[in-house]
Order: sequence, then structure tokens, then C-alpha cells
Amino acid sequence: EIVLTQSPGTLSLSPGEGATLSCRASQSVSSDYLAWYQQKPGQAPRLLIYGASSRATGIPDRFSGSGSGTDFTLTISRLEPEDFAVYYCQQYGTSPRTFGQGTKLEIK
Amino acid sequence: QVQLVQSGAEVKKPGASVKVSCKASGYTFTKYYMHWVRQAPGQGLEWMGVINPSGGETSYVQKLQGRVTMTRDTSTSTVYMELSSLRSEDTAVYYCARTVRSYDSFDYWGQGTLVTVSS
Repeated sequence: EIVLTQSPGTLSLSPGEGATLSCRASQSVSSDYLAWYQQKPGQAPRLLIYGASSRATGIPDRFSGSGSGTDFTLTISRLEPEDFAVYYCQQYGTSPRTFGQGTKLEIK
Repeated sequence: QVQLVQSGAEVKKPGASVKVSCKASGYTFTKYYMHWVRQAPGQGLEWMGVINPSGGETSYVQKLQGRVTMTRDTSTSTVYMELSSLRSEDTAVYYCARTVRSYDSFDYWGQGTLVTVSS
């Protein structure tokens, strides 16, 4: 099973600032099958990024993904108030599909 | 528009079973895989398994093998997840989520169903 470790656990920033979230895999992710999701309280997760760097439909271009192999990054260039949420990475190249433990992005 | 609408909250006693439904609309039901993901209170996301609505083939996470069963009804575009021998640690929100291929990102999610296991 591929274990995904996200850092930091919590990130405190202000609107307008940039955010960098990390996801490290215990072994190489097949074909860069790595996704990022955003989850707000009481809601289902929402797909942001797939294939490590492709934005899902309707996702603003301030969200970008990068990385390959075992190290992946989600970057949010200018934080908007609605971006404060929990973010999960997920690998879907190998079974079982696994998620990271999440990074909580909170308002400073 | 694509919609995945799940059944309502359930309260079950330890040892019982629960069956959660996920009704799909807005797309061709048999052309997309359906996965189940659960989230314990205040915790992260856990993948449970996948079903191919076209042929009914399933794949489950090893830790739930023998307790989880995923089925589908193509006549109503609905998938079901049944979990048996419930224990307190099965208390969670259960989500269905769609993918284009079996190994793919989850592009649409149901609204979630809270299952509470308590004596």
C-alpha cells in the first residue's frame, strides 16, 4: 500500500498570500496518478487537480499542481476567503487507492 | 447535470448490517465506475472499493473483505454498498464517487450518508 504523507498538518495564512502544500509518497506513484481534493465542513470533497498537474473543470487558475514520482505539490497563488479548507492528496495508480491525512488551511 | 444522490442517515446497533444507496443521473450509468469512500468523524478519507456498473465486477480494500458488498441496479441507475457485522469504528460518512476508468480521479461525489453504529 502506498502511504501518502502531507505537510504541514495545518497552514495559517492570510487572504492574498500564497500557499504551498506538500504530499510525499512512500513509493513512486504510477503514471503520476496523483489528485488533489478540497473539502469544506459538511461537504463532500471536490476534485481540484488530477494527473499531478491538470486542473479539473471549473477550477480557478490560482490552483496549480506539480511534481512526479514521490514528491508532489499543490500551490495556491493568491488565497481567496473561500480557499480556506482541508486539502487531501490521493494516489489512484495502485490499489488500494490511498489518501493523505490532509492539510488544514486556516485563516491567520 | 451529473448528480449522485445518496440515501439518508442510518443508526445501527453493533453486529447489524447497513445498506446505502447512490442514485446516478445526468450521464450514462454503465460507462463510469463507482467507488465508495468513507470518513470517520474528524478523520481523513478511506477508500473502500469500486464497482463496474456495466458488468458488476467489484474490488474491495483488503481490510473490509468479507464484510462489504457493492452491487448495482442498472434499471434504476443505482449502486449499493452493504456493510455487515458493524462495529463502532464503522461510524462514518459514506460517499459514493464516480470515475471514468477504474484507476482514475473522482470527478463527482455524492452528498454523503452518515452511518452511526451505537448500542
